Amino acid sequence: QLQLQESGPGLVKPSETLSLTCTVSGGSISSGNYYWGWVRQPPGKGLEWIGTIYYSGNTYYNPSLKSRVTISVDTSKNQFSLKLTSVTAADTAVYYCARHFKIQLTGNYYYYMDVWGKGTTVTVSS
Amino acid sequence: SSELTQDPAVSVALGQTVRITCQGDSLRRYYTSWYQQKPGQAPVLVIYGKNTRPSGIPDRFSGSTSGSTASLSITGAQADDEADYFCTSRDTSGNPSVIFGGGTKLTVL
Repeated sequence: QLQLQESGPGLVKPSETLSLTCTVSGGSISSGNYYWGWVRQPPGKGLEWIGTIYYSGNTYYNPSLKSRVTISVDTSKNQFSLKLTSVTAADTAVYYCARHFKIQLTGNYYYYMDVWGKGTTVTVSS
Repeated sequence: SSELTQDPAVSVALGQTVRITCQGDSLRRYYTSWYQQKPGQAPVLVIYGKNTRPSGIPDRFSGSTSGSTASLSITGAQADDEADYFCTSRDTSGNPSVIFGGGTKLTVL
């Protein structure tokens, strides 16, 4: 059974870089039809897609965060990672990693998130 | 516009049917999906595509779309269905992207 686990510091200072890793177990991150993404949720608020990566290294980012986000993959460790630079209090959130599966419906491609990690809370504070 | 609008809160009596809606221009072109999120837990995919339930999702959950409005229906709502529900769409690029609606808190009375 595929499992995802987020890890990283729970506290980051303003203006510094938030770094998280998602470890995939029970399956290979190099499976061809899957992509791997990050989603966050500020306290009491909704979900926000951050970005997604394919095992080949192709990345796709939310335009609103693109200037500060880098997602990378390490297939040898079955992990993918998130870096978010110049953080502020607005970046305080629960960060989730998730697997996207890709399907084609009526000529369009869709990427749905079917397996999620439990989430990790990151607080930005001095 | 790529925005998705949901009612902040909806309630339903136990055993009755409830419809949660999601409005957005992109829904005229693309299928939506629906995620259920209970307090302190990660979201769970409950409907995707035209009206497909992942394995393990009860058949009381169903999805539909009319024009720019997508709906998630729960027929015979159970206490366990009390949760936040988020709809999604995608951008026009064809690459992975997720646009979330603001979410609807469902209360089962």
